Amino acid sequence: NAGVMQNPRHLVRRRGQEARLRCSPMKGHSHVYWYRQLPEEGLKFMVYLQKENIIDESGMPKERFSAEFPKEGPSILRIQQVVRGDSAAYFCASSPDGQTQYFGPGTRLLVL
Amino acid sequence: DQQVKQNSPSLSVQEGRISILNCDYTNSMFDYFLWYKKYPAEGPTFLISISSIKDKNEDGRFTVFLNKSAKHLSLHIVPSQPGDSAVYFCAASGETGANNLFFGTGTRLTVIP
Repeated sequence: NAGVMQNPRHLVRRRGQEARLRCSPMKGHSHVYWYRQLPEEGLKFMVYLQKENIIDESGMPKERFSAEFPKEGPSILRIQQVVRGDSAAYFCASSPDGQTQYFGPGTRLLVL
Repeated sequence: DQQVKQNSPSLSVQEGRISILNCDYTNSMFDYFLWYKKYPAEGPTFLISISSIKDKNEDGRFTVFLNKSAKHLSLHIVPSQPGDSAVYFCAASGETGANNLFFGTGTRLTVIP
C-alpha cells in the first residue's frame, strides 16, 4: 500500500504567480488534511476535506487559498498570487477513520 | 495561541539509554494524542498514539504516558538508537470534532553513539 503522495516535492514561484499542490491519499483513506510548516515552527492545520466536501477550513487564510478533493483525482491546494510569506513546507495527511493521520513527504514552496 | 507545547527544543542522549520527550497541552477537550518523528526534508512519520481513556500505551521501544490531570504526556524510547535521531512532534486532537491535529513545535533528539 503506497503512502500518501505529494507532488511536486519542490516548487518555485515568483510573486503573483499561482501555486498548485497535489496530494493523493493512501488507498482507502477518505479523510484528507493540509498543514503548513513555517521555518522553525510546528505544523499548523489549514483544511480538512472528505470527497467533494470541505469539512473544516478554519486554518485557511481567508484570501488567495483554496482547496478541493474531487470525486476523482488528487486533492489540490491552490494558492493564488503568491507572496514571499507563503514560502513554507505544505504537508498533506490522510486518514481512514479521522483519527490517526499519515503524512506525505511535503511540498516545499519557495516564492522569489 | 500554542495549545500544545514542547518546551525542550533539543535533547541529547547516549546510545542505549532512555530518551524522554515531554509535551504539555492547555485544552482539556483534547482526547487523542499522537507522537510523530520527522527527518529533514521528509513528512512526519506516525509513531504511537494514546486515547484519553488510557494512561499508557506501548509499542516496542516506544511508550507514551498520559497524565490528564496535569495535561502532560511523554514519550519514552528505550533503548535509544542512533537512528532515533530526528525531530519529534507531539500532536493532539478532539476539540472540534473535525479531528484536525494541533502540533507542538518539536524536540530535536540526538542519540550519541
